[in-house]
Amino acid sequence: ILNVEQSPQSLHVQEGDSTNFTCSFPSSNFYALHWYRWETAKSPEALFVMTLNGDEKKKGRISATLNTKEGYSYLYIKGSQPEDSATYLCAFLNYGQNFVFGPGTRLSVLP
Amino acid sequence: DAGITQSPRYKITETGRQVTLMCHQTWSHSYMFWYRQDLGHGLRLIYYSAAADITDKGEVPDGYVVSRSKTENFPLTLESATRSQTSVYFCASSEGLLLLQYFGPGTRLTVT
Repeated sequence: ILNVEQSPQSLHVQEGDSTNFTCSFPSSNFYALHWYRWETAKSPEALFVMTLNGDEKKKGRISATLNTKEGYSYLYIKGSQPEDSATYLCAFLNYGQNFVFGPGTRLSVLP
Repeated sequence: DAGITQSPRYKITETGRQVTLMCHQTWSHSYMFWYRQDLGHGLRLIYYSAAADITDKGEVPDGYVVSRSKTENFPLTLESATRSQTSVYFCASSEGLLLLQYFGPGTRLTVT
C-alpha cells in the first residue's frame, strides 16, 4: 500500500500571510504528482501536474515545487485570501499506475 | 458545455440492494475514474478506465463493478450494498493518466 502524507493536517492563517504545506510520497517509481484544491461542498479542482524533479509550477498566487529524489512537494500560497480557504490535496502516481491521494491539508484564511 | 455530470446526486438504499451510480462526460476524455470520500482517508480510487472496454482496479475495488461500453459513460455498480459503502462518490475524467483530472459534483450514497 502506497503511503502519501500531507502536513500539516490543518492550519489557520491571517489574510495576507503567506503559507506553505507539504506532500510526501514514495520516491521510487515516481511518475507524476498532482495538486488539487477542494472547497467545502464542491468538487476537487485541478491545480498542477508535476512530473520532473525540480519542477516548479505557478498559478496566480499559488505555486508548487517537486523533489522526486527525496519524495516531497511543497505548495505555497502568497498573500493568502479568505477565498483560498479549502482543502489542498496531492495525488501520487507511480509506474505501476497506482494513483493515491493524500489526506489533504485544510487551510482556513481568517479575514 | 456540461462537462462531467453524476446522477443521482443523492441516494438512499437498503443493505443488499444493487445500486448503480452514473457518470457522464462530454469532453471525450480517455480516462475516467471513480473515487470514494471517506473521513480520515480522503479520496480513495475504486476503479479507473483508460478507454472504452478497458478498466482496472484501484485501491478499494471490492464490492464494486464498473463498465465502459462508451467513452462518455462510466457507471459504477454496487452489487449488494453494505453500510460500509455509505460515502460520497466522485467521478473524474482526464485526457491522460499524467494529466489533471476534472471531477463531477459527487453522489452522496447512504446505505441503511
